Amino acid sequence: KQEVTQIPAALSVPEGENLVLNCSFTDSAIYNLQWFRQDPGKGLTSLLLIQSSQREQTSGRLNASLDKSSGRSTLYIAASQPGDSATYLCAALYKETSGSRLTFGEGTQLTVNP
Amino acid sequence: NAGVTQTPKFQVLKTGQSMTLQCAQDMNHEYMSWYRQDPGMGLRLIHYSVGAGITDQGEVPNGYNVSRSTTEDFPLRLLSAAPSQTSVYFCASSYGLVQSFFYEQYFGPGTRLTVT
Repeated sequence: KQEVTQIPAALSVPEGENLVLNCSFTDSAIYNLQWFRQDPGKGLTSLLLIQSSQREQTSGRLNASLDKSSGRSTLYIAASQPGDSATYLCAALYKETSGSRLTFGEGTQLTVNP
Repeated sequence: NAGVTQTPKFQVLKTGQSMTLQCAQDMNHEYMSWYRQDPGMGLRLIHYSVGAGITDQGEVPNGYNVSRSTTEDFPLRLLSAAPSQTSVYFCASSYGLVQSFFYEQYFGPGTRLTVT
């Protein structure tokens, strides 16, 4: 079964700290892996997309890596700020016979304390 | 671009009622999909479409119908609402699969549905 797992479920850090969020996925037959941010009561905002042939992507203070062989992705946030507080979701887009399926982890709830 | 829009933002239904959740995108995306988000279960795919006139079932399709008559619109119909369909519904769109790369998916703001 295709599954995506995120650890930890919740993380609280002081402002300015660098941090890493972890995502693991079963089955390496993926098109890509996408990281999202979700604020309470809001929709999902796409942060970074890593194609299966890529190793990492960077956007500002965010860096996401992908290791298909081990089934792992990490999201690195540098110099965290209170505004980074949100739930971070990773999703693997699996290849299927009749198309594709985006499978989500349950998210890591991040709190950055001033 | 307005991106992906969803209406309504909130809806309360009684058991047995039917309704349609609207989703539209103005990015000329071929791929559109519907998800529901429930506590402890994450987001799960209900139905998806790879282009106008083409739809397929996702992980949890029972109780929902979709159609795709235009590239822009992808409505989700609840045939006879049940309390188990209380959830937050998200619509997403993407350019889809192009030369072995699948483009990123963009999500709408969601519709919060309560069925009593």
